[in-house]
Amino acid sequence: NAGVTQTPKFQVLKTGQSMTLQCAQDMNHEYMSWYRQDPGMGLRLIHYSVGAGITDQGEVPNGYNVSRSTTEDFPLRLLSAAPSQTSVYFCASRGRTHTAYEQYFGPGTRLTVT
Amino acid sequence: DQQVKQNSPSLSVQEGRISILNCDYTNSMFDYFLWYKKYPAEGPTFLISISSIKDKNEDGRFTVFLNKSAKHLSLHIVPSQPGDSAVYFCALYSGGGADGLTFGKGTHLIIQP
Repeated sequence: NAGVTQTPKFQVLKTGQSMTLQCAQDMNHEYMSWYRQDPGMGLRLIHYSVGAGITDQGEVPNGYNVSRSTTEDFPLRLLSAAPSQTSVYFCASRGRTHTAYEQYFGPGTRLTVT
Repeated sequence: DQQVKQNSPSLSVQEGRISILNCDYTNSMFDYFLWYKKYPAEGPTFLISISSIKDKNEDGRFTVFLNKSAKHLSLHIVPSQPGDSAVYFCALYSGGGADGLTFGKGTHLIIQP
């Protein structure tokens, strides 16, 4: 199993550009989430999904869109990038078990918006 | 306002000694208290957890203690090894509502030879 994969690893955008961060998992997990980590901060939840076709907002959803058309994929879209979105983005997944708190994280995408 | 506080940004410990990482929280609604470990350029990985109904959980060299009255969580690593050098995040899970974890800012543990 590859686990949780994220592409790209690094990205530089200009203010106003759009892009999609890709996330895929091969563990057949129902739950998937996107977090961002800013310097000196903990990870904060952006959006999450409890299954294909179902998404909801987390703590910091503004400026981001998500969709979940398949169990495996959970892309994060930035419609109009802003410097405040410079961060490291982590995708995570978990199954529907009693250890639901054990999330599996991807390696992250480092995004810089100039 | 921060729900999870890790007040030590970094901690340096000699190899073989005990490392103690601390975490304070403000809200009592959480069901599980967790520690995640993160190496540079990697995502966090789950390390150990404790249920809100327990006060101690042990897994090899790692022990997590929960003091609910003080709203305090700690992770003990003994003996500390060079591979333990990483950033440790305290995280809280509520099991309902938004499906996610509430993380602290992290403590960078450095194990010195």
